[in-house]
Parts: sequence; C-alpha cells; structure tokens
Amino acid sequence: GENVEQHPSTLSVQEGDSAVIKCTYSDSASNYFPWYKQELGKGPQLIIDIRSNVGEKKDQRIAVTLNKTAKHFSLHITETQPEDSAVYFCAASKSNTGKLIFGQGTTLQVKP
Amino acid sequence: NAGVTQTPKFRVLKTGQSMTLLCAQDMNHEYMYWYRQDPGMGLRLIHYSVGEGTTAKGEVPDGYNVSRLKKQNFLLGLESAAPSQTSVYFCASSKTTGYHTGELFFGEGSRLTVL
Repeated sequence: GENVEQHPSTLSVQEGDSAVIKCTYSDSASNYFPWYKQELGKGPQLIIDIRSNVGEKKDQRIAVTLNKTAKHFSLHITETQPEDSAVYFCAASKSNTGKLIFGQGTTLQVKP
Repeated sequence: NAGVTQTPKFRVLKTGQSMTLLCAQDMNHEYMYWYRQDPGMGLRLIHYSVGEGTTAKGEVPDGYNVSRLKKQNFLLGLESAAPSQTSVYFCASSKTTGYHTGELFFGEGSRLTVL
C-alpha cells in the first residue's frame, strides 16, 4: 500500500522567512496530493492540493511542487507569519479510491 | 453549519471495556473516514467508507470495527479496549470529484484514554 514520509518533523523559522516541508510517496499510481494545516485543538483543514498532471500550484503565500519521477512533493510558505504556526500534513491518494494516506506531520513554529 | 460532529469528545475506558464513537455529517458526503492521531505518527487511517453500507480497511484496522448503516453516520467500535488504543480519533467526510478524493472535512476529534 501507499506510504508517505514527511520531513522535517519540526521546523522553526523567523517571521518573514520561508519554510519548506518535503514529502515522498511510494505508490507511483497516486495522483492527488493535498496539504492540511492543523491548529491546536482542532481538526486538520485543507490549505492547498495538487493533481499529478500539474507540476506546481500557488495560492498567495503558499505553493506546492510535485516531481512525479522522483515521487516527492513539497510545500513552500513564503513571508511566514506567526499565524502560520501549526502542524502541517501532506497526503497522497490514488484515483477515486477514497483512501487518503497522511505523512507524519511537521510542527512549524514562526518566531516573531 | 454543523459539518462533521463527533461524540463523545472525551472518554476514559478501562482495559477490556467496549465503546462506540459516533460521527455524523450533514453535507451529504459519500466518503467517510476514521483516523487516529498519535505523537510522531501523524494521522493513520483506521477504516473508511465510500458509501452507505460499505466499509474498507485502512492502515491500522486491527482492534476496531465500523458500520455505515446511514449515509450521514459512521460508527467506530472498540470491542475490547487496550492501552495501545489511547489516542485522539478524528472522523472526516468528503465528496468525490469523480477523479480523486475531494477535500476532507474533519471533526474536532475525540480523545480516548484506556487505562
């Protein structure tokens, strides 16, 4: 089955700096890669996603890149702000199976 | 809007006891999921359902059972609780886009402690 590895487990940056979180997946048939943000005491929420027919997608300060050949994808956050502090999860799924597998999570701390 | 509602939010069990977590969604979503979240392990899929009357195993199904008798409800059962099942449980639902799994909407979580 699919396996998703996420790095780093913790990341601390200064406000205004950029943050990058990387994930690798094992199943070459996976074609959908979302990123979720989880704030303290809440359930995760979708922040951006990318399909396998696209190499990069941007939404304001966040962007995701996908390298299908290497089977890895990354989340980029620019001009970080204290409210970006949270746990971020990458995930992967195959077609319309409904089976979404998450990575281990990255705790991002943005220092003012 | 209620979205995804989980009950109970907190529960303490003794080893060997049984219990059921209830998840209800009011968005008419086809897919529903149960995940557990443990420190350093991320979100691990326990069971999921792609429609009323259907269920499927996820990554860590052992020790759990599920049922989806109604489209809006997804029940997670622990027949004989073990300390290893101490965790925060999240239910989620999504619609299908026809191409891939749609956005998952999560509940607030249920914290279960097994003594």
